[in-house]
Amino acid sequence: SQKIEQNSEALNIQEGKTATLTCNYTNYSPTYLQWYRQDPGRGPVFLLLIRENEKEKRKERLKVTFDTTLKQSLFHITASQPADSATYLCALDGGTGANNLFFGTGTRLTVIP
Amino acid sequence: DSGVTQTPKHLITATGQRVTLRCSPRSGDLSVYWYQQSLDQGLQFLIQYYNGEERAKGNILERFSAQQFPDLHSELNLSSLELGDSALYFCASSLGASGGGEQFFGPGTRLTVL
Repeated sequence: SQKIEQNSEALNIQEGKTATLTCNYTNYSPTYLQWYRQDPGRGPVFLLLIRENEKEKRKERLKVTFDTTLKQSLFHITASQPADSATYLCALDGGTGANNLFFGTGTRLTVIP
Repeated sequence: DSGVTQTPKHLITATGQRVTLRCSPRSGDLSVYWYQQSLDQGLQFLIQYYNGEERAKGNILERFSAQQFPDLHSELNLSSLELGDSALYFCASSLGASGGGEQFFGPGTRLTVL
């Protein structure tokens, strides 16, 4: 069956450290993968997109990697801040050409001051 | 603010009833997506419309239907409601129908079925 799993439901880290979130997928052939941030009671907000032919993408303190052989994406937040506390969702397309997304279970990140 | 609007913000209704959720996409976006988010299922894709036409379908129940109007706003109709339909319903929009690109999510409609 198809699955998108994110490493843990919750992750606590100290301010200033690097947070690393994992997304593993099974029985999907995505052409791209996206990461979103979701705050309680709000809609997800887009952060980064990485395509199947790209290994790494960066945006300010964010970095994402995509390994289609391992079927895994890693999402890093460097120099983390309490304001980074939120739920982070990975999402991928179904490889059919449509833009609809399949979302992972999410990781709730808490950055402790 | 994503530019996507959804109404109503909250909806409380009884089992067996029918409700309509409304979404206005970001200006210029032609694609509209509907997602359902519940505690046990996470965020699930329901259906996508592009410029008035159905583009992709997910795990949408037969009791649910949607459409996109000529002005590009979209409505999601939920009928014969069950307790398990209680969830947050998000609408998202994007410029194109394929090829990736970020989706802009609305604030959601929280549906409670009693």
